[in-house]
Amino acid sequence: QVQLVESGGGVVQPGRSLRLSCAASGFTFSSYGMHWVRQAPGKGLEWVALIWFHGRDTYFPDSVKGRFTISRDNSRNTMYLQMNSLRAEDTAVYYCARDAGAGYLAGFQDYWGQGTLVAVSS
Amino acid sequence: EIVLTQSPGTLSLSPGERATLSCRASQSVSSTYLAWYQQIPGQAPRLLIYGASNRATGIPDRFSGRGSGTDFTLTISRLEPEDFAVYYCQQYGSSPLTFGPGTKVDIK
Repeated sequence: QVQLVESGGGVVQPGRSLRLSCAASGFTFSSYGMHWVRQAPGKGLEWVALIWFHGRDTYFPDSVKGRFTISRDNSRNTMYLQMNSLRAEDTAVYYCARDAGAGYLAGFQDYWGQGTLVAVSS
Repeated sequence: EIVLTQSPGTLSLSPGERATLSCRASQSVSSTYLAWYQQIPGQAPRLLIYGASNRATGIPDRFSGRGSGTDFTLTISRLEPEDFAVYYCQQYGSSPLTFGPGTKVDIK
């Protein structure tokens, strides 16, 4: 069965960096685009990054563009989110999620991990 | 950026009742690229509906979606105890992908 397991969250000071990982299993990882979606405490969902299945194209909303990068290692079935210049407003649970399209980009997410908490605080 | 508005903010109903949730977009959502997710507190979101009206794998047929353009609806025909949760709509027709603020369905 499809499994997505995030790791790397924790407490970090404003302005510092953190890298999240998402380990995938149960499907052909290299055939699917992958997303990161975050949820601030008590708030709604916010999409923060997308990487195509081949890894050559990435997309971000303006709120994180220039600070976050997304990458993947298809040989390790793992996706990453590098977060730089972190701010208090980046505090959230970060979910990795699979794009529903196999070999193309569907845009919506059909499987989600359980999330990892990032807290930005001095 | 397409802004999604969901109403009502909270819906208080009893098990067995019908729930009707609304999602309105600030501009037309191309090709009905609209999805609905359910989130139970403490859990990850779960895909319910994609393409405005297509149920995801394993989703019971009491969940149905409809709509096009700027107005979309999620209907739960008869609420089961496990359906009390927060529901989010999402448009994926244009970047950035955006979610609505959610509708909480709670027990009356």
